Amino acid sequence: DQQVKQNSPSLSVQEGRISILNCDYTNSMFDYFLWYKKYPAEGPTFLISISSIKDKNEDGRFTVFLNKSAKHLSLHIVPSQPGDSAVYFCAARYGNKLVFGAGTILRVKS
Amino acid sequence: DGGITQSPKYLFRKEGQNVTLSCEQNLNHDAMYWYRQDPGQGLRLIYYSQIVNDFQKGDIAEGYSVSREKKESFPLTVTSAQKNPTAFYLCASSNPDRGTGDTQYFGPGTRLTVL
Repeated sequence: DQQVKQNSPSLSVQEGRISILNCDYTNSMFDYFLWYKKYPAEGPTFLISISSIKDKNEDGRFTVFLNKSAKHLSLHIVPSQPGDSAVYFCAARYGNKLVFGAGTILRVKS
Repeated sequence: DGGITQSPKYLFRKEGQNVTLSCEQNLNHDAMYWYRQDPGQGLRLIYYSQIVNDFQKGDIAEGYSVSREKKESFPLTVTSAQKNPTAFYLCASSNPDRGTGDTQYFGPGTRLTVL
């Protein structure tokens, strides 16, 4: 039972444009959501998070939006840069654990 | 520099052998975690530990064992009972803080291949 889903396996975006990565969840008890970025053969690095009581959090080029009624969150990267090319994981917190989505491969073309 | 180290980076083992993956952190974090990643899948939780001398099974604990004798160390043993051990193993740590989402910080990972 996948509680956190990233339905797009990959996304290709032109440099300078906006990248939008999506994530859906089923468990309404999740209280925090996080985005991680991962390069091949490396560990994920934390990008940005949002509490379930908020609907937006911004940090530089990265903004996360949360729509609780739709159980949907998204990560916006503006402007996209070639160095953003990586796998992006959405994660949700329940109790002491994080539940991860399967990831979306982002390719930013120059 | 503070961080999480995992060794070795690549590990090969023959079928039927147990193998132990190392994870050390100097972030003074209370909680530590082990995940495995398979191609096309997200990270799946194997074991986690909130404090020294205590740990809990995650979603896929069968065939694995852990210990937490020291705050900074959380080794994972992949036993011969694990049916499909070839994977990328990731260790993480965090300081539980309900206000910031318990952000977990990851090590560089160990690629285990069973020959």
